[in-house]
Amino acid sequence: DIVMTQTPLSLSVTPGQPASISCKSSQSLLHSDGKTYLFWYLQKPGQSPQRLIYQVFNRFSGVSDRFSGSGSGTDFTLKISRVEAEDVGVYYCMHSIQLPYTFGQGTKLEIK
Amino acid sequence: QVQLQQWGARLLKPSETLSLTCAVYGGSFSGYYWSWIRQPPGKGLEWIGEINDSGSTNYSPSLKSRVTISLDTSRNQFSLQMRSVTAADTAMYYCARYGGNDVWHFDSWGQGTLVTVSS
Repeated sequence: DIVMTQTPLSLSVTPGQPASISCKSSQSLLHSDGKTYLFWYLQKPGQSPQRLIYQVFNRFSGVSDRFSGSGSGTDFTLKISRVEAEDVGVYYCMHSIQLPYTFGQGTKLEIK
Repeated sequence: QVQLQQWGARLLKPSETLSLTCAVYGGSFSGYYWSWIRQPPGKGLEWIGEINDSGSTNYSPSLKSRVTISLDTSRNQFSLQMRSVTAADTAMYYCARYGGNDVWHFDSWGQGTLVTVSS
């Protein structure tokens, strides 16, 4: 199985300040089709996870442009340019390059 | 807009069988993979397995020996059975749809069912 490792596991951010979450995979997520199968999901308190980013840097429809993804191979980053109160929750990276799909441990974002 | 609604027994004793069902409303059952994902208290997400509309299944190797996912296309429902549960199987269980026009991903989720295993 591919191991997804996120850091930090928690962060507390002042509204309006940036935030950054790292995700590292135990093997490359670059597929032979040229796409990198790395996703980001957000689980808001009391809710099911919701999609944010696909294939490293593409935002799903309706996702704020304050969210951006970057990286390649095995190292990826999710950045929030200006944190807002509605961004609170747990962020997960996930791969879908092969079965079983695996998630990172999650990074809990709190507002200061 | 597809909606997934799930239900099942919430309190089990060790060695019993976990059984959950997920109904799909407002969308086609075909052309997708239908998955189960769990989240132990305070921990991350774990993919359990999936089934497509043809009945083809894939399971997490760590759970494969105890898990069966099945579907009832006439009712647009799919189900999870996990045998011989222990306290380690205590978790929030989610059903989810895996699919997409261009990007396959988990695009719809059930509301979650908290299953507790305790003697």
